[in-house]
Amino acid sequence: DSGVTQTPKHLITATGQRVTLRCSPRSGDLSVYWYQQSLDQGLQFLIQYYNGEERAKGNILERFSAQQFPDLHSELNLSSLELGDSALYFCASSVAGDPHNEQFFGPGTRLTVL
Amino acid sequence: AQSVTQPDIHITVSEGASLELRCNYSYGATPYLFWYVQSPGQGLQLLLKYFSGDTLVQGIKGFEAEFKRSQSSFNLRKPSVHWSDAAEYFCAVGPSSSNDYKLSFGAGTTVTVRA
Repeated sequence: DSGVTQTPKHLITATGQRVTLRCSPRSGDLSVYWYQQSLDQGLQFLIQYYNGEERAKGNILERFSAQQFPDLHSELNLSSLELGDSALYFCASSVAGDPHNEQFFGPGTRLTVL
Repeated sequence: AQSVTQPDIHITVSEGASLELRCNYSYGATPYLFWYVQSPGQGLQLLLKYFSGDTLVQGIKGFEAEFKRSQSSFNLRKPSVHWSDAAEYFCAVGPSSSNDYKLSFGAGTTVTVRA
């Protein structure tokens, strides 16, 4: 158990819908990262937040957005869903402030778009 | 831009045999290198990491990796594989700058262990 929690574990929805994925980082970790794992794209970095502020952006679609709240939990919002958005979405957290810090990964949310 | 290549998509190894997983990276400066393991239905777990110093790094579960700058490689090894080592293994490089700690992952190598 990494200490990072993600909810829900599974999500099944239809094209065009909007979903929110939630992540609670390890206690004390200030930085949260979101990754998407799909069969065709592999494991791709989406976005990073540090202490409530966006720090880095990767291959995140405009239909997707995220935020980190004052209690440091983070949400990833996916809208106008397409079949190709079906994937495993991971959240990771780290203490940050030092690039040596390990990123701890949550168990993921499996999104299926029908 | 940083990138990672894992040339082997799938490796099958007998239990008790040695295992080596290849990783090549592209990075402008001194890289931070990581190996993660993902068991079926699980998240990623860090096996080991290299930042500087001794180029032979010891990790958890009996794994080790060797950083070779001249070959831009960071290969993962285990002398004797157990059935529980069957999983997918990812090599990663990062961060890309002092303010950006994202990891860039390779495509992964799936390891099958046969009895």
